[in-house]
Amino acid sequence: QVQMLQSGAEVKKPGASVKVSCKTSGYTFSDYGISWVRQAPGQGLEWMGWITAYNGNTNYAQNFRDRVTMTTDTSTSTAYMELRSLRSDDTAVYYCGRDLWFGDLFGRSPQEDWGQGTLVTVSS
Amino acid sequence: EIVLTQSPGTLSLSPGARATLSCRASQRVSSSSLAWYQQIPGQAPRLVLHGATSRAAGFPDRFSGSGSGTDFTLTISRLEPEDFAVYYCQQYGNSPPTFGPGTKLEI
Repeated sequence: QVQMLQSGAEVKKPGASVKVSCKTSGYTFSDYGISWVRQAPGQGLEWMGWITAYNGNTNYAQNFRDRVTMTTDTSTSTAYMELRSLRSDDTAVYYCGRDLWFGDLFGRSPQEDWGQGTLVTVSS
Repeated sequence: EIVLTQSPGTLSLSPGARATLSCRASQRVSSSSLAWYQQIPGQAPRLVLHGATSRAAGFPDRFSGSGSGTDFTLTISRLEPEDFAVYYCQQYGNSPPTFGPGTKLEI
């Protein structure tokens, strides 16, 4: 059974950074890419980027390219998303999602399994 | 990037009714790379359909999809109480993947 367990809620000040983790189990971590998607309060879903643990390839959305870094740790089957220079409009629930299909797809896959979400609040 | 538009924004129906949700893309979605997700408030999204017509695990055949090119439809026949949620379409054939704004299906 695939499980994706995200780190707990964070409160950050504007200008700070946040690093959210997504610990996976139940499948071969390096076989499937992981996307990060966020959802501002009362809003829709926004794709931020994708990473594969197979070779570390990433694909970031243009809106986040200069502020986000996605990494993986194969020893713990954990994916990380770090967002820097936080602003109030970064307040959102951040989700990790596992690709439906295995391979180096650069995000060209729907997400079948999801973490529970991590609320990041940015406030002075 | 491909912009997705969903209609209606809100759909009010009764259990047992048939729901038809629309998703329109600003340009052709390659290889029918269109997915639908269900999201219940406070929960993560859940994959309903992929490839425009293929049901994901756990969803009954009351859920069906159709369409190609720029116009796609999710149909839910015989609505059950647990079906009332927000539904998002997503195209994943072109980078970056993009989501529609969602349709709220309410009782």
